[in-house]
Amino acid sequence: DADVTQTPRNRITKTGKRIMLECSQTKGHDRMYWYRQDPGLGLQLIYYSFDVKDINKGEISDGYSVSRQAQAKFSLSLESAIPNQTALYFCATSDPTSGSTDTQYFGPGTRLTVL
Amino acid sequence: KQEVTQIPAALSVPEGENLVLNCSFTDSAIYNLQWFRQDPGKGLTSLLLIQSSQREQTSGRLNASLDKSSGRSTLYIAASQPGDSATYLCAAGGSYIPTFGRGTSLIVHP
Repeated sequence: DADVTQTPRNRITKTGKRIMLECSQTKGHDRMYWYRQDPGLGLQLIYYSFDVKDINKGEISDGYSVSRQAQAKFSLSLESAIPNQTALYFCATSDPTSGSTDTQYFGPGTRLTVL
Repeated sequence: KQEVTQIPAALSVPEGENLVLNCSFTDSAIYNLQWFRQDPGKGLTSLLLIQSSQREQTSGRLNASLDKSSGRSTLYIAASQPGDSATYLCAAGGSYIPTFGRGTSLIVHP
């Protein structure tokens, strides 16, 4: 079973709709991240969380919000989706206390299309 | 602000060639440098992570080096195979948050 899972894997929605992307992990890591990837571009950090009570904005947080419901769960919401939020979204985890210091582990991604 | 550049953006080589992918970063105050592989439409898989105090890491046919003073890392792939075809991304680890390059798209043809 995958250590980091994302649901849904694909989603098509319309402009103005509220969308939630979910991420779950079984690695026991405290740190979780949400990224978006656009074709030909690197990953851009949206939000990150270092523990259940910690939420931090990344470089492109406008139009997004997150919720860290538990150590294992980190959700990303688009309050009112717009077409330029069409992208591939990744969740990741890391654990700086582990032997492989701060290696990032990624989920399989959610492909979101906003029409 | 950290900026990470990967050259070349795309590379096509015949099977069996040894090849080098380059990654440069503007701020040398990094904690680590990580290389990832991404298959089309898929997530990222960590290949190698080099701590700031290290100079290189090896895994099988892959060898990654780090020169903080010059702001460079290289990923060396020996005896390339068609199965190595993917996009390779590097990420410079700052104060807890990594900065990613745009990747090098590699095609190894038989």
